[in-house]
Amino acid sequence: DSGVTQTPKHLITATGQRVTLRCSPRSGDLSVYWYQQSLDQGLQFLIQYYNGEERAKGNILERFSAQQFPDLHSELNLSSLELGDSALYFCASSVGAQPSGANVLTFGAGSRLTVL
Amino acid sequence: AQKITQTQPGMFVQEKEAVTLDCTYDTSDPSYGLFWYKQPSSGEMIFLIYQGSYDQQNATEGRYSLNFQKARKSANLVISASQLGDSAMYFCAMTYSGAGSYQLTFGKGTKLSVIP
Repeated sequence: DSGVTQTPKHLITATGQRVTLRCSPRSGDLSVYWYQQSLDQGLQFLIQYYNGEERAKGNILERFSAQQFPDLHSELNLSSLELGDSALYFCASSVGAQPSGANVLTFGAGSRLTVL
Repeated sequence: AQKITQTQPGMFVQEKEAVTLDCTYDTSDPSYGLFWYKQPSSGEMIFLIYQGSYDQQNATEGRYSLNFQKARKSANLVISASQLGDSAMYFCAMTYSGAGSYQLTFGKGTKLSVIP
């Protein structure tokens, strides 16, 4: 157990629907990162929050949004889902704002989204 | 833009033998970090080893070592005495501290299969 908790583990939904993925970081970690892993695109960085504020933005679609709450848990909202959104969505956390040897990203087990 | 290349989609190694997984990177930033992660079939991402661009010595962590050749922009992972449990996907990743961005960029990965 990495200490990063992601729910749900599996989710099956239909095109056009909206889903919310939840992440609780390791105790003491202030940064939360979201990644999407698909067969064709590999691991893609979506967005990072640090202590409640957006810190960095990657290849996140406009249909996707995220936030980090005062208790530091984070949610990734995916709307108007398309077949191509089917992927494994990872949350990772770290203590500080910048990945480094002293600030390694710890990943959760992922949420597997299937869009039918 | 920063880029990570892993040229070996798949590798086979005999149990107890050593194996090298290749990783090359491209960046113009003098300050960067290189990471290796392991992803077993169960799906979680496990941190293995880190090398900073200013580190003078190659990083080692147990059976893992990083062959860092800065001039050639390569950061190959060496696994000594392979075990069956080493069968997994291995990802090389890079981060950098430029322009206020704190992203961790991943390569496409190498699938390692350990043969008994």
